[in-house]
Amino acid sequence: GNSVTQMEGPVTLSEEAFLTINCTYTATGYPSLFWYVQYPGEGLQLLLKATKADDKGSNKGFEATYRKETTSFHLEKGSVQVSDSAVYFCAQNSGGSNYKLTFGKGTLLTVNP
Amino acid sequence: KAGVTQTPRYLIKTRGQQVTLSCSPISGHRSVSWYQQTPGQGLQFLFEYFSETQRNKGNFPGRFSGRQFSNSRSEMNVSTLELGDSALYLCASSTTGRGTGELFFGEGSRLTVL
Repeated sequence: GNSVTQMEGPVTLSEEAFLTINCTYTATGYPSLFWYVQYPGEGLQLLLKATKADDKGSNKGFEATYRKETTSFHLEKGSVQVSDSAVYFCAQNSGGSNYKLTFGKGTLLTVNP
Repeated sequence: KAGVTQTPRYLIKTRGQQVTLSCSPISGHRSVSWYQQTPGQGLQFLFEYFSETQRNKGNFPGRFSGRQFSNSRSEMNVSTLELGDSALYLCASSTTGRGTGELFFGEGSRLTVL
């Protein structure tokens, strides 16, 4: 079945450091891929998405490229801020729906000043 | 525009009891889906409703059920609670549930089963 694997956390970085959170997926067909972020005490928010191979999603300085050949969708940011501290979830959809998402386990990012 | 509203935010129940959680989607959104979030299993899809009909269901026992009303508000119910049902239950809404449109999540209802 479909699955998403993302790197185990927690990840602790200093402000302005480079961030990479790895995400790989297994799927039948060609899913769309998403990164969601969950700030403390809040629900999940869509951070970025990519709907087909080689698409790059970007938002708030974060980027991720849909790599079909490596079945990956790694999240990157060149210079993290304390306000980026949150849990990041990689996800894929299935069957053309946007409501049935398969999520990774989440990666807790803590950015220290 | 108001976001997705879930009530109650926190609740404590004992084994064997039942619980009902409520979700009010963003105005105009007709698709409401529910997820269970636990430290061990992460986020798992429970079910989705559109126009008062359940369109899809995840791999959860029949103790988990839901419904949607004509105003798109949704409720989920868990009967005969077990300790393992302790979790954050997240509701999400979208306009149609199709394509790759954004899914908007509420802050969740945190259920503790003692």
